[in-house]
Amino acid sequence: SAVISQKPSRDICQRGTSLTIQCQVDSQVTMMFWYRQQPGQSLTLIATANQGSEATYESGFVIDKFPISRPNLTFSTLTVSNMSPEDSSIYLCSVVQGPRSSGYEQYFGPGTRLTVT
Amino acid sequence: SQKIEQNSEALNIQEGKTATLTCNYTNYSPAYLQWYRQDPGRGPVFLLLIRENEKEKRKERLKVTFDTTLKQSLFHITASQPADSATYLCALVLEYGNKLVFGAGTILRVKS
Repeated sequence: SAVISQKPSRDICQRGTSLTIQCQVDSQVTMMFWYRQQPGQSLTLIATANQGSEATYESGFVIDKFPISRPNLTFSTLTVSNMSPEDSSIYLCSVVQGPRSSGYEQYFGPGTRLTVT
Repeated sequence: SQKIEQNSEALNIQEGKTATLTCNYTNYSPAYLQWYRQDPGRGPVFLLLIRENEKEKRKERLKVTFDTTLKQSLFHITASQPADSATYLCALVLEYGNKLVFGAGTILRVKS
């Protein structure tokens, strides 16, 4: 299974600033995703990070607020821009590894805990 | 509207008993249903998946059932142990892609 690391593991940021979160995978993967998990809530998909093209965003998430880069098959970044306290959350990247027949089981990074003051 | 519901209350059981967690969904047609475990401060860890044409799947002490008529999955942990205490999430894999939609999770506490 893929091993995924995220940086930073946590951060406390001032409102109005931006934070870039990095996700590194130990092997090449086709599909990479970014999720948000607010306190006591479910995971919500922000976007699919596409290698070599613009990310695909879910309803309610826009590129200006959450720009994503994916320069290669092992690395992606998510930026949380112009932060407000409502952005305080855990941000997780995940990957799908294996053929379609494996049922799209996902492997998650440890998450980045963001607090906006 | 589309919904995934899991037991909102924490499930407290005695060590050695079977824990049963429920996942109900409405207005989805998942190709697969997955179960994940999440410990505090960590990302979810994949446990099991079951396909829409399967009724039951087992892996060691874990058993998952999937009833597409009832739109429900049950997740069982037999001979539960305190180390099984965690939040368990169900997720639907939607047939038109590889998008996962997660339930809010159920907290399981196993007491010795």
